[in-house]
Amino acid sequence: GQSLEQPSEVTAVEGAIVQINCTYQTSGFYGLSWYQQHDGGAPTFLSYNALDGLEETGRFSSFLSRSDSYGYLLLQELQMKDSASYFCAVNYGGATNKLIFGTGTLLAVQP
Amino acid sequence: DTAVSQTPKYLVTQMGNDKSIKCEQNLGHDTMYWYKQDSKKFLKIMFSYNNKELIINETVPNRFSPKSPDKAHLNLHINSLELGDSAVYFCASSQGEYSNQPQHFGDGTRLSIL
Repeated sequence: GQSLEQPSEVTAVEGAIVQINCTYQTSGFYGLSWYQQHDGGAPTFLSYNALDGLEETGRFSSFLSRSDSYGYLLLQELQMKDSASYFCAVNYGGATNKLIFGTGTLLAVQP
Repeated sequence: DTAVSQTPKYLVTQMGNDKSIKCEQNLGHDTMYWYKQDSKKFLKIMFSYNNKELIINETVPNRFSPKSPDKAHLNLHINSLELGDSAVYFCASSQGEYSNQPQHFGDGTRLSIL
């Protein structure tokens, strides 16, 4: 079967750094994506890793280790507006952009 | 200049009714998707079309029928609505059908079955 595991909730303070982990077990794998969703809003794309290593985009970075079936999203200099749910998603369709989403991590940033 | 727009935003209806949700994207993308997000926020792919052709059809009851009149539109028709259909339905689009293409989501349609 297909499964992606993420912590259900994480709490951090403004200005801190937080890491959200994702482990996956899927029948196919082409890459790992991360999406952010504010309460009542639409998921928005944050990052994509197809190869091992770290990808940096501003305050957000994403890491992938294919051999460990593991990735993480690193959020630096946390701001109140970063309070949201964060989903990892495995791209496993190959010729179709098919995503399997994790269960999501609710990040609460406190002042 | 909304990128992916869905209508209606809210849909409240009774069990057994038939309803449709419309989706349009103005990004010039070739691929469009329908997702269902349940009350526990679990997001699951239902269908995907690339240039009006069905390319992903997950295990979804055949009461759900997508239709893509052109590559900018993907509608979802649901027959004989059931209580378990209550969820948020998201439309999304991507440049192409390959796995490195970010998906752009609409704001969702909140469907409540009474």
